[in-house]
Amino acid sequence: GIQVEQSPPDLILQEGANSTLRCNFSDSVNNLQWFHQNPWGQLINLFYIPSGTKQNGRLSATTVATERYSLLYISSSQTTDSGVYFCAVDYFNQFYFGTGTSLTVIP
Amino acid sequence: DTEVTQTPKHLVMGMTNKKSLKCEQHMGHRAMYWYKQKAKKPPELMFVYSYEKLSINESVPSRFSPECPNSSLLNLHLHALQPEDSALYLCASSQAAGGVEAFFGQGTRLTVV
Repeated sequence: GIQVEQSPPDLILQEGANSTLRCNFSDSVNNLQWFHQNPWGQLINLFYIPSGTKQNGRLSATTVATERYSLLYISSSQTTDSGVYFCAVDYFNQFYFGTGTSLTVIP
Repeated sequence: DTEVTQTPKHLVMGMTNKKSLKCEQHMGHRAMYWYKQKAKKPPELMFVYSYEKLSINESVPSRFSPECPNSSLLNLHLHALQPEDSALYLCASSQAAGGVEAFFGQGTRLTVV
């Protein structure tokens, strides 16, 4: 199978700080998505980003498929950004989730 | 509308019970998925349906039985579960199986007593 590792595993930020989350994967993939899982378990789509860079408000993501990694940038973090962030890769038509980054933003 | 609806949100069942989880989408997606997520772990794939046919079964025990009655509906029938089956069960859908964006429901939190 494919290995999908995220770093850091845990992150605590002061409100207003910026952060970068990383997703490394061990083989070529068809697709990559970033999700935010809220405390109730809902997986919220952040980015569908097989390659290149996308921005949505305070969040942006970059995937360098040839080097097998993706980055999620969160700027001016807010307490509502707290939760677990997962990347998921499409490998042979199956989604494999990364190990996750648990983010806590404190006021 | 990018909504995948799962019912119920919470379920408590005994080890001898039979229950079903339901998932519905009206986005015209032809691939639907069941995932299982234990606490503090990433979701793990259980089943994939593509065009209403089971295409992937990740060696899931037979006490979990999926069903796709039509292109909008996905069920997961549960029978004789064990306490270790307690988890968050997530349903997802995508336009096709592979290479496209997937959307997830809010999950069913299952407790087996």
